Amino acid sequence: DGGITQSPKYLFRKEGQNVTLSCEQNLNHDAMYWYRQDPGQGLRLIYYSQIVNDFQKGDIAEGYSVSREKKESFPLTVTSAQKNPTAFYLCASSTPARGDTIYFGEGSWLTVV
Amino acid sequence: GIQVEQSPPDLILQEGANSTLRCNFSDSVNNLQWFHQNPWGQLINLFYIPSGTKQNGRLSATTVATERYSLLYISSSQTTDSGVYFCAAPITSGTYKYIFGTGTRLKVLA
Repeated sequence: DGGITQSPKYLFRKEGQNVTLSCEQNLNHDAMYWYRQDPGQGLRLIYYSQIVNDFQKGDIAEGYSVSREKKESFPLTVTSAQKNPTAFYLCASSTPARGDTIYFGEGSWLTVV
Repeated sequence: GIQVEQSPPDLILQEGANSTLRCNFSDSVNNLQWFHQNPWGQLINLFYIPSGTKQNGRLSATTVATERYSLLYISSSQTTDSGVYFCAAPITSGTYKYIFGTGTRLKVLA
């Protein structure tokens, strides 16, 4: 089945450690996104990528890094520079040029202790 | 930048009741979409509705692009409708950057 796979679903890390969240899509979508959601809040854009080897900062990129070496993959690294990393992270993909909708993975819960 | 406001922010319904959720944009948008986030965090696409009206079972949506708003109607609500409803659209036509509304948190009581 086509879709977006995020892993891991739950992740616990000690403060000061970098963590990488995986996102893979087999929808052949050009664009991929990472959003952060804090409890009871809306979605905030961290990074997005329109094509391979290219990505742009969203509204809250500080303390995060991404790569887009393959069309299917868009991993997000939460670095130790991110002051409040505990949150729910959502990966998404779309092909806006054709008017497609944006689709989401199931999300990854990151807890930093 | 474009602002997106949703109302009401919170809504409690008795099972079987109907409701209307609203999404207002501060500027013209294209490719407006509605999503439901279930209690486990999954975001499900409900409608892609740049203009006009669409229906899917008990749900329907209407977008009046010229007046910069969209409405989501839920009829005969069920407990499984509980969760948060978001509207979203690309900031400008053809862009890859989506802006999301503040959400409406719905709780349907049995």
